[in-house]
Amino acid sequence: GAVVSQHPSRVICKSGTSVKIECRSLDFQATTMFWYRQFPKQSLMLMATSNEGSKATYEQGVEKDKFLINHASLTLSTLTVTSAHPEDSSFYICSARQGARQPQHFGDGTRLSIL
Amino acid sequence: DAKTTQPTSMDCAEGRAANLPCNHSTISGNEYVYWYRQIHSQGPQYIIHGLKNNETNEMASLIITEDRKSSTLILPHATLRDTAVYYCIAPKAAGNKLTFGGGTRVLVKP
Repeated sequence: GAVVSQHPSRVICKSGTSVKIECRSLDFQATTMFWYRQFPKQSLMLMATSNEGSKATYEQGVEKDKFLINHASLTLSTLTVTSAHPEDSSFYICSARQGARQPQHFGDGTRLSIL
Repeated sequence: DAKTTQPTSMDCAEGRAANLPCNHSTISGNEYVYWYRQIHSQGPQYIIHGLKNNETNEMASLIITEDRKSSTLILPHATLRDTAVYYCIAPKAAGNKLTFGGGTRVLVKP
């Protein structure tokens, strides 16, 4: 149980393109989903927290207009990297949890490469 | 989050128990301890969590000291596939956001 699916697993695109990443909880309803970013040889950094039906809460230093998050249902959250540039190249990982005390379960990540 | 301190790295022998320590001396009474691991190029995998009592599941055991200032994750029979970075995290109760530190890089050797 507690499977989180993330799609796509890898994206390579040109600078200026917008990229959408999907995160789905397959066998549970996720009241809260989280988006992280991980640069090479570094640890995961939380970007934002999203609760179903409400606006996402962004961590300090993360541009909300650059990283659009939509959590329209209890099983789906999307992250759109708008007008992506090479410095946005990173490993993006989502997680989902069913309730406040429940553990987060992570997707397998999306490796984004902007040329 | 309560600050957690873990060894940077450790080697373990395949087939033997791996004991991964974590110090969290500033943990408060209602903060859980969560353990995750990240195998190279994958998303983190939840292992186990606990508050006061020792916990065991199919993956590991979690031993929490009585004063809750430290804990140990035990992998009973380490395999080569257990090679990963292991993270001990004690998030604040409200929001339960996870803050990933450096973790312990565990290398299981044949």
